[in-house]
Amino acid sequence: AQSVTQLDSQVPVFEEAPVELRCNYSSSVSVYLFWYVQYPNQGLQLLLKYLSGSTLVKGINGFEAEFNKSQTSFHLRKPSVHISDTAEYFCAVSPYNQGGKLIFGQGTELSVKP
Amino acid sequence: GAGVSQTPSNKVTEKGKYVELRCDPISGHTALYWYRQSLGQGPEFLIYFQGTGAADDSGLPNDRFFAVRPEGSVSTLKIQRTERGDSAVYLCASSLNGGASTDTQYFGPGTRLTVL
Repeated sequence: AQSVTQLDSQVPVFEEAPVELRCNYSSSVSVYLFWYVQYPNQGLQLLLKYLSGSTLVKGINGFEAEFNKSQTSFHLRKPSVHISDTAEYFCAVSPYNQGGKLIFGQGTELSVKP
Repeated sequence: GAGVSQTPSNKVTEKGKYVELRCDPISGHTALYWYRQSLGQGPEFLIYFQGTGAADDSGLPNDRFFAVRPEGSVSTLKIQRTERGDSAVYLCASSLNGGASTDTQYFGPGTRLTVL
């Protein structure tokens, strides 16, 4: 079985400040790792994913995430946020060879203030 | 091109009624997924189709829930004898490469179901 824990339900931050959204997972099998973003009144869209290779993954809109196998973490970072980054962010895992189903964390609401 | 579409966008029903929720995936995508998102929670997997067949329905909560995809494109999620606890946003997603775990899923805007 798999589970995903997002350690912060809400993260308020000022514009142009750095931000880190934390994600830990547990799984009895190998998994691929994803971050999705949900802007207000829009559907979920992929930010980035880790499949293999370099543990630092770059995504859209200046976001990046680092896979740490020993700590089973996949934290999301951005060095300088914008008002437009205000959204709900979801970390997810997909177990190898199980058809691609995603197991999501409960989400982190990022609120960027001017 | 067109993304994943879901209809209706909102559905209000009474306890005990039957509802159908529709999903139109991206053209050419062979895999289709249904998720349910309760208030304040992340999406929860319900069922996955590879073509016309349900390849994994392990997330369906009970036998009141059923889904079909008869021609390998549009899918319908059916809920019988709705209960107040079924109230949630139902999300549909599709992916191109037949359900590979590495594949990007493209999500629709969801159907908000409210059971009174």
